[in-house]
Amino acid sequence: SQTIHQWPATLVQPVGSPLSLECTVEGTSNPNLYWYRQAAGRGLQLLFYSIGIDQISSEVPQNLSASRPQDRQFILSSKKLLLSDSGFYLCAWTGTGGSEQYFGPGTRLTVT
Amino acid sequence: QKEVEQDPGPLSVPEGAIVSLNCTYSNSAFQYFMWYRQYSRKGPELLMYTYSSGNKEDGRFTAQVDKSSKYISLFIRDSQPSDSATYLCAMSRTGFQKLVFGTGTRLLVSP
Repeated sequence: SQTIHQWPATLVQPVGSPLSLECTVEGTSNPNLYWYRQAAGRGLQLLFYSIGIDQISSEVPQNLSASRPQDRQFILSSKKLLLSDSGFYLCAWTGTGGSEQYFGPGTRLTVT
Repeated sequence: QKEVEQDPGPLSVPEGAIVSLNCTYSNSAFQYFMWYRQYSRKGPELLMYTYSSGNKEDGRFTAQVDKSSKYISLFIRDSQPSDSATYLCAMSRTGFQKLVFGTGTRLLVSP
């Protein structure tokens, strides 16, 4: 069966510090991968999605970037965090041609 | 106007009640419809997945799609306190890699 992992689970970082969040998927190959942010009490905002290695689309101009160093690994990064980067970051995957997405447990980021 | 509209709630019901959660949408090209359940501080969990119109039942949960009205529903029978969560609807077009989500409805089931 497929599983999706995210780490760290929680993170407190000062403004201006770098960020690296990692997501890995097991039990499938060639997944589509997604990064979302969910602000408190708000809906899901799609940040990036990737249909393959070196194929990453950015949805919202922002202080973040994404990379996919391996087929089943997706990384969300920032060089300098802003207060507004605080939120709940979720990684999701779907199989090739599939519509339903499966989410990871999330990373709660607080920028102080 | 948002592509997908969902009442944020909260919706408070007593244990054992039938719950109806709904979303409306504006894009007639949507063909795939999903319901997710999200507990506090957890990732969303896929509950129901339907294609095009019709009903789908899974245990106490029934998903209903009315494409003519651009309206989808999730019914929960015999609701339990463990059903207390935020329910998100999501939908997509054929061949499209992205989902459009509602903002979620918070459900509270009291014992």
